[in-house]
Amino acid sequence: NAGVMQNPRHLVRRRGQEARLRCSPMKGHSHVYWYRQLPEEGLKFMVYLQKENIIDESGMPKERFSAEFPKEGPSILRIQQVVRGDSAAYFCASSPTQSGQNTGELFFGEGSRLTVL
Amino acid sequence: GQSLEQPSEVTAVEGAIVQINCTYQTSGFYGLSWYQQHDGGAPTFLSYNALDGLEETGRFSSFLSRSDSYGYLLLQELQMKDSASYFCAVGNDYKLSFGAGTTVTVRA
Repeated sequence: NAGVMQNPRHLVRRRGQEARLRCSPMKGHSHVYWYRQLPEEGLKFMVYLQKENIIDESGMPKERFSAEFPKEGPSILRIQQVVRGDSAAYFCASSPTQSGQNTGELFFGEGSRLTVL
Repeated sequence: GQSLEQPSEVTAVEGAIVQINCTYQTSGFYGLSWYQQHDGGAPTFLSYNALDGLEETGRFSSFLSRSDSYGYLLLQELQMKDSASYFCAVGNDYKLSFGAGTTVTVRA
């Protein structure tokens, strides 16, 4: 059973360009979470999605950031008009159930490292 | 909102015991999790405490006191491969909120 797959692993963009980060959850997992991590810092919650639905996007900036988890295909985190402050590692995690209420266990991908020049 | 406090770094020698404390403030608390992350890679799940007490998994143990909003991760018989960052995380409703992490450095 393949783990959580994220691509690209590394992405370089110039200011003003768009970044698209993809995440395929583990098989059978319908709950997807996106977290952002700056160097030497913890994981900051961005958004929680179930298939075709955004459940909580309270951690995601209102402008330029969007996320989706379509019925078919991977979850996508999209950052428009990137700025240098968007440079970070973006981790996707999946779970078969709601992580907070049940086992407290999330399965993380290796992350996508975005560098904005 | 949620806030978690844990030490920023700990250094110990091989074979030693390290305790990483975590205090938290949150609403709708369901449990306390611990994760390990090597060199910025994928965080991996270590343990979860929903009830008060000690959970033991091999060389690692985790403790929770809900009344004190406090928990700890105990690393025993430290090995070089245990050098990593360790994060506590509180589960409320449906998501996990993470602390800033503790960097553990194991020396020979």
